[in-house]
Amino acid sequence: DAGVIQSPRHEVTEMGQEVTLRCKPISGHDYLFWYRQTMMRGLELLIYFNNNVPIDDSGMPEDRFSAKMPNASFSTLKIQPSEPRDSAVYFCASSSRTGLYEQYFGPGTRLTVT
Amino acid sequence: QQQVKQSPQSLIVQKGGISIINCAYENTAFDYFPWYQQFPGKGPALLIAIRPDVSEKKEGRFTISFNKSAKQFSLHIMDSQPGDSATYFCAASMIWRGKLIFGQGTELSVKP
Repeated sequence: DAGVIQSPRHEVTEMGQEVTLRCKPISGHDYLFWYRQTMMRGLELLIYFNNNVPIDDSGMPEDRFSAKMPNASFSTLKIQPSEPRDSAVYFCASSSRTGLYEQYFGPGTRLTVT
Repeated sequence: QQQVKQSPQSLIVQKGGISIINCAYENTAFDYFPWYQQFPGKGPALLIAIRPDVSEKKEGRFTISFNKSAKQFSLHIMDSQPGDSATYFCAASMIWRGKLIFGQGTELSVKP
């Protein structure tokens, strides 16, 4: 298996622009998680889905952030408009009940907002 | 109640030494306690995990010690090697929920 796939790996954008991060979970996994990692705040859970349905979005910082999972093999995290404080590494992870919920992380997208 | 507190923030150990990282939690409903290892430029990866029905779990040089009454658990790395240099995260969850609460991370550096 290819593991969790994220794109792009790096994104540099200007303040105010829309940013879309993409994730393909491991086939057969029914949970998908979006995390943000910064030096100051560590690893934060933003939102997670079970069977494509958002279960907990309490970690989404504000309305500028939105996430969708239109099908079992694809999810997006969108920031509109982006701000410099959104600069971070964003990870997608997936897991399954049969795998005892071990979360497999993707390589991350490093976002820089100037 | 949802927090997991991890210490120390950073740790320097000599090659061959023992690395010890500690975590504490408050929510007694947590029933799954994994440790993740993250190398620079990579996503975290599961290292070892424990359920609260046992007090210790060992896998190779890595051991989790679990103290249910104190609501604490720790990771011990025996015979630490430079290749163990990474950031380590403890986490906790109610396993059926699938959601992990991560500690703040410990940056381990093993000096040759």
